[in-house]
Amino acid sequence: DQQVKQNSPSLSVQEGRISILNCDYTNSMFDYFLWYKKYPAEGPTFLISISSIKDKNEDGRFTVFLNKSAKHLSLHIVPSQPGDSAVYFCAASGLATGNQFYFGTGTSLTVIP
Amino acid sequence: GAGVSQSPSNKVTEKGKDVELRCDPISGHTALYWYRQSLGQGLEFLIYFQGNSAPDKSGLPSDRFSAERTGGSVSTLTIQRTQQEDSAVYLCASSQPGANVLTFGAGSRLTVL
Repeated sequence: DQQVKQNSPSLSVQEGRISILNCDYTNSMFDYFLWYKKYPAEGPTFLISISSIKDKNEDGRFTVFLNKSAKHLSLHIVPSQPGDSAVYFCAASGLATGNQFYFGTGTSLTVIP
Repeated sequence: GAGVSQSPSNKVTEKGKDVELRCDPISGHTALYWYRQSLGQGLEFLIYFQGNSAPDKSGLPSDRFSAERTGGSVSTLTIQRTQQEDSAVYLCASSQPGANVLTFGAGSRLTVL
């Protein structure tokens, strides 16, 4: 049972434009959400996170939005750069879920120069 | 070490053979996780170690899979009688006590012929 879902396997965006990656979850007990970025032949690296007590967290070009009522979060990258081309994974965890991290299936972002 | 170290980086084996994958977490990280990523799939949780507590083995797909963590540091994931469907990238991650962020290694790519 996939508790964290990323319904778009791929996304292409022109350099300089906004990239929006989406993620949905089913377990209302999740209280912490993360985005990881993965390049080929490397492990995922942490990008940005958000606690359930917030609805927005910003770090430079990256902003994560959380809509708890919709069980939806999104990652905005603006402006997008070619170096942002990678696979992005959404993850969720919570004390009530045993501190396990549940990952989505990933979205492959291609930023076209 | 500076990061999570995994070995081997690549392993090709014949169906029916046993394999061992090693993970050396970041020093001081008490939590250690094993995930796997099959082709076209997301990150599948396998097992979680936290300090001296009994490991959470709920993600292990069959009894051919086992893992141990010696001395609260290095972990070994063992797959017995490998099958072709075991082919995947096996990722190890660790985290500090009370932290909500996982640091991943580069992974071990297993190919079962």
